Amino acid sequence: DGGITQSPKYLFRKEGQNVTLSCEQNLNHDAMYWYRQDPGQGLRLIYYSQIVNDFQKGDIAEGYSVSREKKESFPLTVTSAQKNPTAFYLCASSPGQLHGYTFGSGTRLTVV
Amino acid sequence: AQSVTQLGSHVSVSEGALVLLRCNYSSSVPPYLFWYVQYPNQGLQLLLKYTTGATLVKGINGFEAEFKKSETSFHLTKPSAHMSDAAEYFCAVSAGAGRRALTFGSGTRLQVQP
Repeated sequence: DGGITQSPKYLFRKEGQNVTLSCEQNLNHDAMYWYRQDPGQGLRLIYYSQIVNDFQKGDIAEGYSVSREKKESFPLTVTSAQKNPTAFYLCASSPGQLHGYTFGSGTRLTVV
Repeated sequence: AQSVTQLGSHVSVSEGALVLLRCNYSSSVPPYLFWYVQYPNQGLQLLLKYTTGATLVKGINGFEAEFKKSETSFHLTKPSAHMSDAAEYFCAVSAGAGRRALTFGSGTRLQVQP
């Protein structure tokens, strides 16, 4: 079955460390997105990519980085520059804005 | 710029009662509008969408929403709540040049009382 897979489901990081969240899709979607979810704040856009080898900053890109070397993969790195990284991170993909998004099941990152 | 406002962070209804979750949007161009549902510690699932055409759209699990341009609203309704409807609901809008990405509201948590 086609879908979008995020791993790991739970991730713990020490302060000062970089960590990479995985996002893989086999839906053949061109566009992929990363959102951050905090209680009471909805989803906020971190980065998005509409095509391989191209990506754009979203509303809260500071302290994060991404790559899009393959259509299927859009990993997110949370760097030590991110001041408050503890959150639930959601990856999504889409064949186009008319269709809405397919979401992964999320990664919960906790800084310890 | 596009934005979404969801009125009421928490809504509680009795089982069998009408569900009404409110969403107002801001957009300078015709928007695409979406409702998503999220169960605890899971991703979001698309309930329904409005892009063009009929303003009353039906979605999964008996939900529907009506696009009202004059009121800039896209409220979500269900005639009779079921215990399994308890979840968080997000309204989202896509609008503007290039329609870069969805902008989400802050969410409404729906409680269903037995």
